[in-house]
Amino acid sequence: NAGVTQTPKFRVLKTGQSMTLLCAQDMNHEYMYWYRQDPGMGLRLIHYSVGEGTTAKGEVPDGYNVSRLKKQNFLLGLESAAPSQTSVYFCASSPYREYTEAFFGQGTRLTVV
Amino acid sequence: RKEVEQDPGPFNVPEGATVAFNCTYSNSASQSFFWYRQDCRKEPKLLMSVYSSGNEDGRFTAQLNRASQYISLLIRDSKLSDSATYLCVVNTGGATNKLIFGTGTLLAVQP
Repeated sequence: NAGVTQTPKFRVLKTGQSMTLLCAQDMNHEYMYWYRQDPGMGLRLIHYSVGEGTTAKGEVPDGYNVSRLKKQNFLLGLESAAPSQTSVYFCASSPYREYTEAFFGQGTRLTVV
Repeated sequence: RKEVEQDPGPFNVPEGATVAFNCTYSNSASQSFFWYRQDCRKEPKLLMSVYSSGNEDGRFTAQLNRASQYISLLIRDSKLSDSATYLCVVNTGGATNKLIFGTGTLLAVQP
């Protein structure tokens, strides 16, 4: 019962380095989301996808890029990491119907020094 | 203005108490509504969906008022295990289907 799997779980980056966070879901869900969670800010939507090959900007997209080449995978890229991107990143997926829950991965704790 | 706003926390209540959380949303076209629970350093998990007619699940009751753009969650007979952050979530629906989260309200149930 994998559900939504995020890799890596933890990462420390130096300012200016790049990295990709991988989200994989095995539930054949149409929608996938990337959020970041910071103290006192709640979960803020970075980018999302409504289907394979599509992506759209959320509330805080600057400094991030995404790709959804395969339905089951949603990648979040940081091209040049900044300390302001230190956060916990959550990926989620949901099927295409109303009143359905979104399933979350366990999160990635990223520190940029 | 935030799209989804919640009561500021934390709420500190004794076991057995009844506690209510409130949430307002700004997008009148929002389609569906949820309460999620998040334990410390864990991912959010669905607590319950919120329907226009109101719905109950054991000790938990959720209500939606579309006219006032207001969502509520009532927890009766609080247990220590209810201690968590409660997140109000709104789905914009339609082509975008964005899930927008409130900042959450921390509940601490005291013995």
